[in-house]
Amino acid sequence: GAVVSQHPSRVICKSGTSVKIECRSLDFQATTMFWYRQFPKKSLMLMATSNEGSKATYEQGVEKDKFLINHASLTLSTLTVTSAHPEDSSFYICSAIGTGGTDTQYFGPGTRLTVL
Amino acid sequence: QKEVEQNSGPLSVPEGAIASLNCTYSDRGSQSFFWYRQYSGKSPELIMSIYSNGDKEDGRFTAQLNKASQYVSLLIRDSQPSDSATYLCAVRRGSTLGRLYFGRGTQLTVWP
Repeated sequence: GAVVSQHPSRVICKSGTSVKIECRSLDFQATTMFWYRQFPKKSLMLMATSNEGSKATYEQGVEKDKFLINHASLTLSTLTVTSAHPEDSSFYICSAIGTGGTDTQYFGPGTRLTVL
Repeated sequence: QKEVEQNSGPLSVPEGAIASLNCTYSDRGSQSFFWYRQYSGKSPELIMSIYSNGDKEDGRFTAQLNKASQYVSLLIRDSQPSDSATYLCAVRRGSTLGRLYFGRGTQLTVWP
């Protein structure tokens, strides 16, 4: 149980385009999802916390107009990187917490974004 | 002071040895503690969670928590080359629902 998927696993795009990344909890309902970014050989950096049906809470320094997060259902959250630039190239990972009272975060497999 | 501190390593141990990974945290109100393993190019996977003082064992892994010292550790017995990865310590503070604070991770290499 507690499986989280992400799609796509890898994406290459041109500078200036927008990219949408999906995060799904496959076998549980997720009240809260988190979006992280990780640069090579660096630690995880929390970008935002997403609760179903409400606006995401962004960490300091993360541009909410650039990184659009939608948590439309208890099993799906999306991150859209708008007008992507090469410096946005990174490993984006989501995680989810279930509704069952546990506070364990389960991570998706990640999406590697390369902006040319 | 960072929320969660870990020695970045690298930590190198021979196959079959015990690997000891350490983590300290700054918030005394922290409630939940987790160890994740991350292979290069992959996302973190949960190894263990611990909530109360003492030891918690799961197979070759033992997590130890000492809230008075604000210290949590992970012991890996009979280390295998497949254990070579970065180990992330994560802490949930009492006031923040769900949000985890991660250490920078300790890189472990187990050599045959």
